[in-house]
Amino acid sequence: ETGVTQTPRHLVMGMTNKKSLKCEQHLGHNAMYWYKQSAKKPLELMFVYNFKEQTENNSVPSRFSPECPNSSHLFLHLHTLQPEDSALYLCASSQISDIRPYGYTFGSGTRLTVV
Amino acid sequence: SQQGEEDPQALSIQEGENATMNCSYKTSINNLQWYRQNSGRGLVHLILIRSNEREKHSGRLRVTLDTSKKSSSLLITASRAADTASYFCANGGTSYGKLTFGQGTILTVHP
Repeated sequence: ETGVTQTPRHLVMGMTNKKSLKCEQHLGHNAMYWYKQSAKKPLELMFVYNFKEQTENNSVPSRFSPECPNSSHLFLHLHTLQPEDSALYLCASSQISDIRPYGYTFGSGTRLTVV
Repeated sequence: SQQGEEDPQALSIQEGENATMNCSYKTSINNLQWYRQNSGRGLVHLILIRSNEREKHSGRLRVTLDTSKKSSSLLITASRAADTASYFCANGGTSYGKLTFGQGTILTVHP
């Protein structure tokens, strides 16, 4: 395990459902991220939380709603999704420092299928 | 766009050979990072090179950075079948923390 845990690993949901993806990190990092990985496309940054505050929202549709209740937990709430939202959703965490850059630690992802 | 572009898109080699993957980017960077992803799993951080560095080593990995050409390369020496994976470069941009990923190179190492 990497220290970043995502649940569930797989999720199948209908277009009218509401579900949530969960991410948890025990690394003491101060930033958490949601990325979307679709086939044949680069990873797309969706949301960034830095010290629990959302600092980036890359024009993500409102059917995706992030929540970061504390620096260790991150959620992605899903509602009325479309089939094209089917993808691997990856959570990552990192330490943001003014002194030096750090790499990300990723979770194993949630494979989402919208039917 | 800060997005990196890896080259080649796919690389197939025999075990024991070296594998070289290249990455180009468009904007200024603070650092450039390389990641590995096994099929359907999360990405694993391999190595980070800062914009004032030209070369870095980690085990069988060697990364170079040429900021004048806005390019980086990842060399895996003496490859193993277990190195089979997708490899991504990530542009650290000019603000700490935010990474922009390229499309990746699919490396297949045949036993």
